[in-house]
Amino acid sequence: KAGVTQTPRYLIKTRGQQVTLSCSPISGHRSVSWYQQTPGQGLQFLFEYFSETQRNKGNFPGRFSGRQFSNSRSEMNVSTLELGDSALYLCASSPATFSYNEQFFGPGTRLTVL
Amino acid sequence: EDKVVQSPLSLVVHEGDTVTLNCSYEVTNFRSLLWYKQEKKAPTFLFMLTSSGIEKKSGRLSSILDKKELFSILNITATQTGDSAVYLCAVGRETSGSRLTFGEGTQLTVNP
Repeated sequence: KAGVTQTPRYLIKTRGQQVTLSCSPISGHRSVSWYQQTPGQGLQFLFEYFSETQRNKGNFPGRFSGRQFSNSRSEMNVSTLELGDSALYLCASSPATFSYNEQFFGPGTRLTVL
Repeated sequence: EDKVVQSPLSLVVHEGDTVTLNCSYEVTNFRSLLWYKQEKKAPTFLFMLTSSGIEKKSGRLSSILDKKELFSILNITATQTGDSAVYLCAVGRETSGSRLTFGEGTQLTVNP
């Protein structure tokens, strides 16, 4: 079974731009979660999508948004980029019965904001 | 707010040593505790624990959960240089879908 895939793997943007990251979950997995990982804050939850609906949301500003398509693929968008948005963005998929927490991570997208 | 605290934050050992990594947590409506290994890439799933007192094992790694005292340990026996990584502990709630709260991680370095 193929794992979680994320594109692109690396991205360099400048302040004020916007960016879209993509995630394809493991086949059959219906839940996709996004996390931001930085050296100072560790892994922090952004949001989770299940059946094209946002099911959970972390404490990030509205500049961070996402969506999920009918094939469970998900995209995450960050608008008006700030220097502090530089991070590794990880996507994780889960089979997702409602309270199923086990997740499998993709390789991540390394975003650098200049 | 959910909280996960790992200790030690950093550990340096020699090959062959046994190590114990600690994870304590405070979470509302606890459902599961998960351990991940992260090298210079995405976290790799190791264990998910939901029941207290039941040890999970995979080769030289094992983990156990104490739901009364709100902690878990991850043991690695006969360590190898390939065990060098950051070990992450995370907790999930009963009512939060797949959302996980992570600890800071323990950086393990195994020297030959």
